[in-house]
Amino acid sequence: QSALTQPASVSGSPGQSITISCTGTSTDVGGYNSVSWFQQHPGKAPKLMIYAVSNRPSGVSDRFSGSKSVNTASLTISGLQAEDEAVYYCSSYTSSSTVVFGGGTKLTVL
Amino acid sequence: QLQLQESGPGLVKPSETLSLTCTVSGGSISSSSYYWGWIRQPPGKGLEWIGSIYYSGNTYYNPPLKSRVTISVDTSKNQFSLKVSSVTAADTAVYYCARQRADSYDKRFDYWGQGTLVTVSS
Repeated sequence: QSALTQPASVSGSPGQSITISCTGTSTDVGGYNSVSWFQQHPGKAPKLMIYAVSNRPSGVSDRFSGSKSVNTASLTISGLQAEDEAVYYCSSYTSSSTVVFGGGTKLTVL
Repeated sequence: QLQLQESGPGLVKPSETLSLTCTVSGGSISSSSYYWGWIRQPPGKGLEWIGSIYYSGNTYYNPPLKSRVTISVDTSKNQFSLKVSSVTAADTAVYYCARQRADSYDKRFDYWGQGTLVTVSS
């Protein structure tokens, strides 16, 4: 199984919106709604931000939203804040009953 | 509040076996609603799923690692464990344990341990 494809980096100014893409295939992202997004700050464990494509866990800001079209999932962060600067990872369940992660996207808040 | 805590040696010699344990508190590892998984992250790199186990003992492994990995569960101690055999420097990573939902439509990792760094070096 190949890692899901994410851009290496994205950036935005405070208050702006950014979108991070996560591209897979019909055997993972495209075939299941079990796509998650994680936020990871340096030296910390990943934190679940979005699950099942577009659902937010309790306590996660509604500035974070998720969507999916065919084989590509997307994470949108609106009203960027300095604290959003982190690395973001997507993951998906696969047809082989395994889990695959994306390579990670570093978000820089300018 | 559910908590997961990894434990085990921080230094392992090349060709030996890496062994880690994850202790679950604040919830039962025997719940039918969850798998229990291991994920690792080499220094400066991304996340890699290693494998997951159900309380019954059913396991699922990442194919590239399958021949060297064993995940087991001890419901009496509310723990699950990871063994990686024949380690090399490429196995140096922060190892996380995590709870994974077992729903047909939702396989999220919702609770994570803090992670433990394992270095493979002589």
